[in-house]
Amino acid sequence: QVQLVQSGAEVKKPGASVKVSCKASGYTFTSYYMHWVRQAPGQGLEWMGIINPSGGSTSYAQKFQGRVTMTRDTSTSTVYMELSSLRSEDTAVYYCARGWYRADYDAFDIWGQGTMVTVSS
Amino acid sequence: SSELTQDPAVSVALGQTVRITCQGDSLRSYYASWYQQKPGQAPVLVIYGKNNRPSGIPDRFSGSSSGNTASLTITGAQAEDEADYYCNSRDSSGNHHVVFGGGTKLTVL
Repeated sequence: QVQLVQSGAEVKKPGASVKVSCKASGYTFTSYYMHWVRQAPGQGLEWMGIINPSGGSTSYAQKFQGRVTMTRDTSTSTVYMELSSLRSEDTAVYYCARGWYRADYDAFDIWGQGTMVTVSS
Repeated sequence: SSELTQDPAVSVALGQTVRITCQGDSLRSYYASWYQQKPGQAPVLVIYGKNNRPSGIPDRFSGSSSGNTASLTITGAQAEDEADYYCNSRDSSGNHHVVFGGGTKLTVL
């Protein structure tokens, strides 16, 4: 079945970097965009950026420009999200989500299980 | 960029109809999609496009749009519909950025 499986929880110190993986299966990896979304404890969903697994092009939310890097490995059907210069406010659950791109809407139809990233000294 | 605004909380009596709204300038150009999130779980897509439901989503969920407002309607709310609901849409920047609403906590009484 179609699924996205993310890497496990991480604990990082302020100033460090974290790299979260998201392995896709059950569909043609290069046929769908992949988004990253995060959710701080008790807060709402926040869109971080998008990667096109076909060519590797990316686009990031302005808030994360310069700190986030999204990459993909087509040989393993895996996308990665690396966030640097971590601070306590980055403590959140990070999700990857498969995206449908249509002329008049975007929809995220399949979500990973989430990866908890805790930033603490 | 743009913003999407949702009411923080809404309640509905069991079996009644409830509408959850989402407002934003980007909704004049793009349809919203809607997601249901229960505690400790990943979000689930419930409505996308003009008014489409993914396979497995009950037909009591429907969507509509007018001007800068998108709505998610639950007709005959069930206890299991108690959850947080989020809208999202492409923003108006032209960069294929996406924006989420702040979410609405639905309580079924």
